[in-house]
Amino acid sequence: DIQMTQTPSSLSASVGDRVTITCRASQGIRNDLVWYQQKPGQAPERLISAASTLQSGVPSRFSGSGSGAEFTLTISSLQPEDFATYFCLQHNSFPLTFGGGTKVEIK
Amino acid sequence: QVQLVESGGGVVQPGKSLTLSCTASGFTFSNYAMHWVRQAPGKGLEWVSVLSYHGRNRKYGDSVLGRFTVSRDNANNTLYLYMDSLRSEDTAVYYCARDFLLFASGSYPDHWGQGTLVTVTS
Repeated sequence: DIQMTQTPSSLSASVGDRVTITCRASQGIRNDLVWYQQKPGQAPERLISAASTLQSGVPSRFSGSGSGAEFTLTISSLQPEDFATYFCLQHNSFPLTFGGGTKVEIK
Repeated sequence: QVQLVESGGGVVQPGKSLTLSCTASGFTFSNYAMHWVRQAPGKGLEWVSVLSYHGRNRKYGDSVLGRFTVSRDNANNTLYLYMDSLRSEDTAVYYCARDFLLFASGSYPDHWGQGTLVTVTS
């Protein structure tokens, strides 16, 4: 199985800060990576697919990069509505595996 | 729009079984693979299973293999998850989710339901 290591597990940041979250795969997964955002009490929502393709309607302050085994989600200027938990998911092979999540909290 | 409504959750004793349902609307259910994903209280996401659009191809996560069975009724737009030999560690919110691709065996979860809570306790 492919292991996804997501760092950090949590972070505190202020509105306007630049935030970077990393996912590392235990083996190469091409660009078969999705980023989700989950707010408390809600289901996850897809932000980015194919490592860097923004979902329609997602603000352009979100961006994804990477290929192979290392991937990054960046929020260029954190907004109040961005405080949430973010997960990566690899779909290169079954079983699909998620990163452990990154909780973005208000400083 | 895509709507997925899970049901069937509840409190169940260890070793017992339970069946979850997911009723779909707003899209052609029979054209999409469907996933189950779970989330233990306060924890991360764990992928559970996927069933291809035609129902012939199934995949499972390691922790549920041999105990859970996914099935679907395309005539009634419903996905099922039969869970047997339940353990305390199966306690979680169970989400069903539509696959991203049309006519696939499974790629990744795209649209998600709101989930149903399963609590395994004596």
